[in-house]
Amino acid sequence: QKEVEQDPGPLSVPEGAIVSLNCTYSNSAFQYFMWYRQYSRKGPELLMYTYSSGNKEDGRFTAQVDKSSKYISLFIRDSQPSDSATYLCAMSRGGSEKLVFGKGTKLTVNP
Amino acid sequence: DTAVSQTPKYLVTQMGNDKSIKCEQNLGHDTMYWYKQDSKKFLKIMFSYNNKELIINETVPNRFSPKSPDKAHLNLHINSLELGDSAVYFCASSQPGGGTDTQYFGPGTRLTVL
Repeated sequence: QKEVEQDPGPLSVPEGAIVSLNCTYSNSAFQYFMWYRQYSRKGPELLMYTYSSGNKEDGRFTAQVDKSSKYISLFIRDSQPSDSATYLCAMSRGGSEKLVFGKGTKLTVNP
Repeated sequence: DTAVSQTPKYLVTQMGNDKSIKCEQNLGHDTMYWYKQDSKKFLKIMFSYNNKELIINETVPNRFSPKSPDKAHLNLHINSLELGDSAVYFCASSQPGGGTDTQYFGPGTRLTVL
C-alpha cells in the first residue's frame, strides 16, 4: 500500500460547482497536512496547511483532516476557471521530515 | 523578485551526456531540496540540504550528485544521462522552525533525454 493515495482524476466541473478533493494515507505518524496547487508548467505552490485533525478555512477553500480515518479533503466553493490546476496533497511527520506527496488530481473548471 | 529560481528551464540532451541544473533561493532559507516529477505528475523527493549539509538522500542512482556551495544555492549534476531521467526537476527551499517546513518551489527544469 502506498503511503499516500490520491485519485488522479481528471475531474471536470462547471463554474460555480463545489469541488471535493481527497487523499488517504497509511502512516499514522503524519501530523502535518498540506495542499499544493500546480498550474500547468509551473512549480507547486502551497495552498492550505493543517496540523493534526480539524478544519481550516481560507476564502473559498476548506481543508479537513480526519486522522482517525487517515483521510484528508480539500473543498473549493464557487469554483472558478482560474482554479483549473493539479492539486497535490502532501504530508509529513514534522520538523525536517520529508514531505510525501500524492499523485495529484487534475481539475478543470469549465466556464 | 523571484524567490526560488532554476536554470535552465528546458534541457534537451543525448543519452550518455553529463548535465547540471542550478538552483538559487533569495528567501534566506536554510534548507533546500531537489524533487523529480515524472510524466504522471508524481512528485518525489531526491535530496535535501540544510545549511550546505546533506540531510535527506532518497534512493537515487549515484549518477545524481547534488552540490551546495552555500545555503542559497543547490545544484544538481547528472552523469551518464539515461532515457528514464526525462522528467521535470524542481528545486525547493524552506526555513525550519516550529511545526513542519513550508516549502517554496522553483519553476522547474524540464529535462528531455533523447
